[in-house]
Amino acid sequence: AQSVTQLDSQVPVFEEAPVELRCNYSSSVSVYLFWYVQYPNQGLQLLLKYLSGSTLVESINGFEAEFNKSQTSFHLRKPSVHISDTAEYFCAVSTLEGTGGYNKLIFGAGTRLAVHP
Amino acid sequence: NAGVTQTPKFRVLKTGQSMTLLCAQDMNHEYMYWYRQDPGMGLRLIHYSVGEGTTAKGEVPDGYNVSRLKKQNFLLGLESAAPSQTSVYFCASSDRDVRVGETQYFGPGTRLLVL
Repeated sequence: AQSVTQLDSQVPVFEEAPVELRCNYSSSVSVYLFWYVQYPNQGLQLLLKYLSGSTLVESINGFEAEFNKSQTSFHLRKPSVHISDTAEYFCAVSTLEGTGGYNKLIFGAGTRLAVHP
Repeated sequence: NAGVTQTPKFRVLKTGQSMTLLCAQDMNHEYMYWYRQDPGMGLRLIHYSVGEGTTAKGEVPDGYNVSRLKKQNFLLGLESAAPSQTSVYFCASSDRDVRVGETQYFGPGTRLLVL
């Protein structure tokens, strides 16, 4: 079965510092990769996703993630964070196989990013 | 467009009580989902629907039932609430199968506390 591991449950960082949120997945087949963000007391919303093509994908608010097939990773980065980036970030995988027959995304446990002034 | 809405936002139940959570989407999406979110566990799929009148079990369906009588609505029922069902419940929808890379759109969540 597929699985997603987010290596850090919490990441504290100062405003304007760079950040990397790590995500690794296990899969022997082709996958689609997502990062969702959950701001306090809100639902999840898509930040960016990788389907095919260029391995570097970007979001409109300055985040980027790189698909590394050999490392089975999809780490999320931002060169300079803002207070408003404080949120929980979920990495997710979808695939036609290894989901137990369920039509679903496989989510990691989440990484809580706390940006301090 | 309101997107995905959920009712109620917060509820407290006593053990053994029943309730229904309502999810509505105005994007004409075929697929709808109910997840629960627990600390340190990410989101786990309870039930889902691939179209009006259809439902299917997810990975943690026990203690829950669902119905999709109208395309835009997906109801989640708890027949006899238990403290283990204390959680945050999220509804989501998508236009196509998420297993081919489709984006899911989430509601704001319902916080349920079972005493």
